[in-house]
Amino acid sequence: SAVISQKPSRDICQRGTSLTIQCQVDSQVTMMFWYRQQPGQSLTLIATANQGSEATYESGFVIDKFPISRPNLTFSTLTVSNMSPEDSSIYLCSGSGNLAYEQFFGPGTRLTVL
Amino acid sequence: SQELEQSPQSLIVQEGKNLTINCTSSKTLYGLYWYKQKYGEGLIFLMMLQKGGEEKSHEKITAKLDEKKQQSSLHITASQPSHAGIYLCGADKGGGNTPLVFGKGTRLSVIA
Repeated sequence: SAVISQKPSRDICQRGTSLTIQCQVDSQVTMMFWYRQQPGQSLTLIATANQGSEATYESGFVIDKFPISRPNLTFSTLTVSNMSPEDSSIYLCSGSGNLAYEQFFGPGTRLTVL
Repeated sequence: SQELEQSPQSLIVQEGKNLTINCTSSKTLYGLYWYKQKYGEGLIFLMMLQKGGEEKSHEKITAKLDEKKQQSSLHITASQPSHAGIYLCGADKGGGNTPLVFGKGTRLSVIA
């Protein structure tokens, strides 16, 4: 199984600013995904982070708001741009392991936007 | 698109009691994942089921997938305070290495 870490674990930000969240996996993974969990809600997929190419976004999420990088098979970043209070959520990254049916999650980044 | 319905939404049980959480899919499941989430934290992988009729156990938690692969249940035997949290079922979109669609979760509280 893969161990996934995220930085920062939490942050409080001002409206209009941007925050970059880092996701590090302790081994190479085939796929990496970013999810959002709004207060009291379940997880919603933001995008699939593709290594060496542009991320694939779900309906309702756009690259200008949530730019994603994945420079290699163990690391990805998600930026939340021009934040508003509606962006206050937990952001989680996950990695799909070398076995097709494994998916592990990071501890999440709790973001509060004032 | 696939939807997962979890029931109940919340559950309060007395320590030592058994409980069951259900997850029903609108489509045939390729892979069904169960996770546990402590409040405000990440997801802890519990089990993954693929085959119709499959059953897996880990410590006091047992997960089953029905023969038609549209419903799964998670059963906890002799619940303990450490079992408290939010239980989420997730379905992959087919073929593995795909993102998951999640149910809304079941919040479990265990009281002494």
